[in-house]
Amino acid sequence: AQSVAQPEDQVNVAEGNPLTVKCTYSVSGNPYLFWYVQYPNRGLQFLLKYITGDNLVKGSYGFEAEFNKSQTSFHLKKPSALVSDSALYFCAVRASGSARQLTFGSGTQLTVLP
Amino acid sequence: KAGVTQTPRYLIKTRGQQVTLSCSPISGHRSVSWYQQTPGQGLQFLFEYFSETQRNKGNFPGRFSGRQFSNSRSEMNVSTLELGDSALYLCASSSGQGDVNEQFFGPGTRLTVL
Repeated sequence: AQSVAQPEDQVNVAEGNPLTVKCTYSVSGNPYLFWYVQYPNRGLQFLLKYITGDNLVKGSYGFEAEFNKSQTSFHLKKPSALVSDSALYFCAVRASGSARQLTFGSGTQLTVLP
Repeated sequence: KAGVTQTPRYLIKTRGQQVTLSCSPISGHRSVSWYQQTPGQGLQFLFEYFSETQRNKGNFPGRFSGRQFSNSRSEMNVSTLELGDSALYLCASSSGQGDVNEQFFGPGTRLTVL
């Protein structure tokens, strides 16, 4: 079985500061990892994915994520946070070659303070 | 391209009734997945359809069913509604071919069961 842990329900950061949203995963075989963002009363928007290759993945809106196989982590980062980044962030995983459903973490509410 | 659309956006039903939700995927996408989002359980996979066939199924009771039409549009049906079925139901589409395509989500249907 595959699982995702987002250890922080809430992350607060000042505007202009770097932000990190943590994610660890468990999966059999090679992982496919995704980050999505959800704004109030909206569906999920895709930010970035890791399939293979470089451990640092760049995505939309200046976000990036670092894949660390030994620590089974896939933390989301941004060098300089914006107030408009405030939203609910989800990490998701599926195993390569397996059924295509995503297993999501519980979500992390990011608040960027002006 | 137009995004994933879901109708209706909001629904209020009473216990024991049934409900049908609709999802139109991005043009050219053949895979449609359904997820249930609740505050307590988070995002949970319901099922996936590809080329009118259910390809994967999550761990939900048989009251939850779905289908996909030849134009890739999908419907989800919940019979004998229970209070616990109140949730945001999200539909996601992807090309369904290859192994690594991300899913694109619709805005969701907010179902309230009274």
